[in-house]
Amino acid sequence: DAKTTQPPSMDCAEGRAANLPCNHSTISGNEYVYWYRQIHSQGPQYIIHGLKNNETNEMASLIITEDRKSSTLILPHATLRDTAVYYCIVRVGASTDKLIFGTGTRLQVFP
Amino acid sequence: SAVISQKPSRDICQRGTSLTIQCQVDSQVTMMFWYRQQPGQSLTLIATANQGSEATYESGFVIDKFPISRPNLTFSTLTVSNMSPEDSSIYLCSSRQGNTIYFGEGSWLTVV
Repeated sequence: DAKTTQPPSMDCAEGRAANLPCNHSTISGNEYVYWYRQIHSQGPQYIIHGLKNNETNEMASLIITEDRKSSTLILPHATLRDTAVYYCIVRVGASTDKLIFGTGTRLQVFP
Repeated sequence: SAVISQKPSRDICQRGTSLTIQCQVDSQVTMMFWYRQQPGQSLTLIATANQGSEATYESGFVIDKFPISRPNLTFSTLTVSNMSPEDSSIYLCSSRQGNTIYFGEGSWLTVV
């Protein structure tokens, strides 16, 4: 079973920040949080991952709460091309590359 | 980022036949993973393909239906055997490079 819960859908205006929440209350101390997105049934695209600290890259920022039970992916200036299904995933343990996908959040960016 | 290539990208298959999907990674990796994504659904892990040993299957998936080969550290195949319309899905492979896990573009199979 997936270890994360996400809202099924969200809307965001183009140019505004998109904040996608994820709940992972049963996460273990050595498990990373990964974010992927999938556009039009293409292969999932890696966005960002983190363990404890907040992370930022050219695509997004990841904010992880201090208790690590939840996180938020932030797309600072959403564009129409960011319309996709976003998956928050807890990597199962530190020594495996197995990812268990939940149902994700369908983000619709509108003009 | 890692480059993961899959072939075929898309195919239409007759029921009762089998199809082999190939996955090529641009660097040597220990583990490769195969996922299935049925229409409108999320990804479900089928199995882990380790080089030099038998694949490890997840609950609900069996070797007779989804035989996997892993002849070297950059290549794996997944066969979908005796296909039925319920096998119409996107099949994806993935592997890790560094601390990031990458996916191929998927193989979209339609069984008629």
